Amino acid sequence: GDSVTQMEGPVTLSEEAFLTINCTYTATGYPSLFWYVQYPGEGLQLLLKATKADDKGSNKGFEATYRKETTSFHLEKGSVQVSDSAVYFCALKNFGNEKLTFGTGTRLTIIP
Amino acid sequence: NAGVTQTPKFRVLKTGQSMTLLCAQDMNHEYMYWYRQDPGMGLRLIHYSVGEGTTAKGEVPDGYNVSRLKKQNFLLGLESAAPSQTSVYFCASSFAPANEQFFGPGTRLTVL
Repeated sequence: GDSVTQMEGPVTLSEEAFLTINCTYTATGYPSLFWYVQYPGEGLQLLLKATKADDKGSNKGFEATYRKETTSFHLEKGSVQVSDSAVYFCALKNFGNEKLTFGTGTRLTIIP
Repeated sequence: NAGVTQTPKFRVLKTGQSMTLLCAQDMNHEYMYWYRQDPGMGLRLIHYSVGEGTTAKGEVPDGYNVSRLKKQNFLLGLESAAPSQTSVYFCASSFAPANEQFFGPGTRLTVL
């Protein structure tokens, strides 16, 4: 079945550092890939998505590129801020399947 | 425009008690979902609905029932709560399966 593996946290960085959170997936066919963010005490919000190979999703300074050859969708940001502290979930959705398959989440803490 | 709302926000139950969680959305979405979030396991789909009057099982349906009598509401019921059902429950909705899922703020349930 479909599965998503993302790097284990927690991750702690200083403000303005470069961020990478790794995400790899296993799926049949051509799934859509997502990054969701969960701020403390809130539900999940869609951060960015990509629907086909080589697509780059971007939002709020975050980027991720759909790499079919490496089955990866790594999340990057060039300069993180304290307000980026949250839990980040990588997810995939396969055509014809109603559900999102989530990774286990990576807790990110940014210190001033 | 409230988006997706969930009631209650917190609840403590004793083993064997029953309760119903309510999810409401005001975006006229056809699809609604119930997930549970457990540490180290990401989100797992419990049940979902593809429209008013329909329900279907997700990944972890045992011990839960759902109903979608009105398009805007999706109820999750626990008939006889067990400690293993201690979790954070999220409701989500989307216009169509391929579209973004919008999440509610969550309900933290503890079963003693």
